[in-house]
Amino acid sequence: SQELEQSPQSLIVQEGKNLTINCTSSKTLYGLYWYKQKYGEGLIFLMMLQKGGEEKSHEKITAKLDEKKQQSSLHITASQPSHAGIYLCGADGRTGGFKTIFGAGTRLFVKA
Amino acid sequence: SQTIHQWPATLVQPVGSPLSLECTVEGTSNPNLYWYRQAAGRGLQLLFYSVGIGQISSEVPQNLSASRPQDRQFILSSKKLLLSDSGFYLCAWKGRLAGPTRELFFGEGSRLTVL
Repeated sequence: SQELEQSPQSLIVQEGKNLTINCTSSKTLYGLYWYKQKYGEGLIFLMMLQKGGEEKSHEKITAKLDEKKQQSSLHITASQPSHAGIYLCGADGRTGGFKTIFGAGTRLFVKA
Repeated sequence: SQTIHQWPATLVQPVGSPLSLECTVEGTSNPNLYWYRQAAGRGLQLLFYSVGIGQISSEVPQNLSASRPQDRQFILSSKKLLLSDSGFYLCAWKGRLAGPTRELFFGEGSRLTVL
């Protein structure tokens, strides 16, 4: 079965600094999703990547899917306290989008 | 616009008691529906998904069951809760238009503590 590994597990950054979160899949990715979760709340969809080499941005958050479609990175520029939370990557397997699996998440703390 | 609601938001139950968590989706029809569990410090584990009324697929053998009595209603149940059932339960839906690769939309979550 497909597995997603996220790194780092947690991250503490000073406000204004840049950071990168990685998501590596054990199999080819056919749909890669990034979500943000505030502690104790539901997940908020950030963006979806499908094509190898694809890159998308939302405000100060940029996500990329590598050419081989087995790794994605999420980059935050000039971090703010509002960026704090848990970032999770999710993926659809080759069998279709019926099942979306998730990585364990990366906890981001931003120090003001 | 589409909305998803799940309740109760918080639940404290004794071991051996029954459980019923409900989830409803509004503003869409024939969605795929999902139940996930998030244990403390861990990622989301897919428990059940449904592609239609009465159609339930179980991902992990466990003490829980799911039902879909109506198109936009998804229920998570247990006859006798175990301590290990504690966690944060999330309901989600996915539309069917334009192919299966679409994002999930999540409810607010239900925190279950089994004592």
